[in-house]
Amino acid sequence: QKEVEQNSGPLSVPEGAIASLNCTYSDRGSQSFFWYRQYSGKSPELIMSIYSNGDKEDGRFTAQLNKASQYVSLLIRDSQPSDSATYLCAVLYLYNFNKFYFGSGTKLNVKP
Amino acid sequence: GAVVSQHPSWVICKSGTSVKIECRSLDFQATTMFWYRQFPKQSLMLMATSNEGSKATYEQGVEKDKFLINHASLTLSTLTVTSAHPEDSSFYICSAQGWVWGDRGRNEKLFFGSGTQLSVL
Repeated sequence: QKEVEQNSGPLSVPEGAIASLNCTYSDRGSQSFFWYRQYSGKSPELIMSIYSNGDKEDGRFTAQLNKASQYVSLLIRDSQPSDSATYLCAVLYLYNFNKFYFGSGTKLNVKP
Repeated sequence: GAVVSQHPSWVICKSGTSVKIECRSLDFQATTMFWYRQFPKQSLMLMATSNEGSKATYEQGVEKDKFLINHASLTLSTLTVTSAHPEDSSFYICSAQGWVWGDRGRNEKLFFGSGTQLSVL
């Protein structure tokens, strides 16, 4: 079983809509959760980190964490074509040599 | 945010030659560095994990004698692709993991270098 799972997509949303990206993880011992954005031909960049249950907002981005259900999500409000990219979910397992595990990524297409 | 510098950003080489890629964490000490490769439209594939002063741990299927990793300090790791062949052409990305000060105090995070596009002729 993969440690971190994401739907590969593509997820298509119209410009201005809310894009919802989801990620589930298997180990309840994980403590830190991250969302990265990767444009085609570029390396991933960190856009959000979340450590406790609930919501964390940063501009148009909101990360949501539910440890009981073992999922973390990323909401992008007022989606723009420039948001079109692959979004990677990552989980840090502090009890496994502080190792990061990545999902395979969800491709998001925002259509003008 | 923290910066990870990766050089070169692209390289073209002849088959049989060796290529060295450098990865530096510029404003934090990296407890661990990772090397990935990525083929077009595919996911990141972890190649190896390295800690300063110790031998790298390679993922299954990655040839340690072909992909030499040196992690000489807490801020520098290098990947050398030895005797490169056209099938080694790929996008190579490093990442550095370390403790970084943020709005919640000190947290462990992972940052990526900008990647190196290797083309072997």
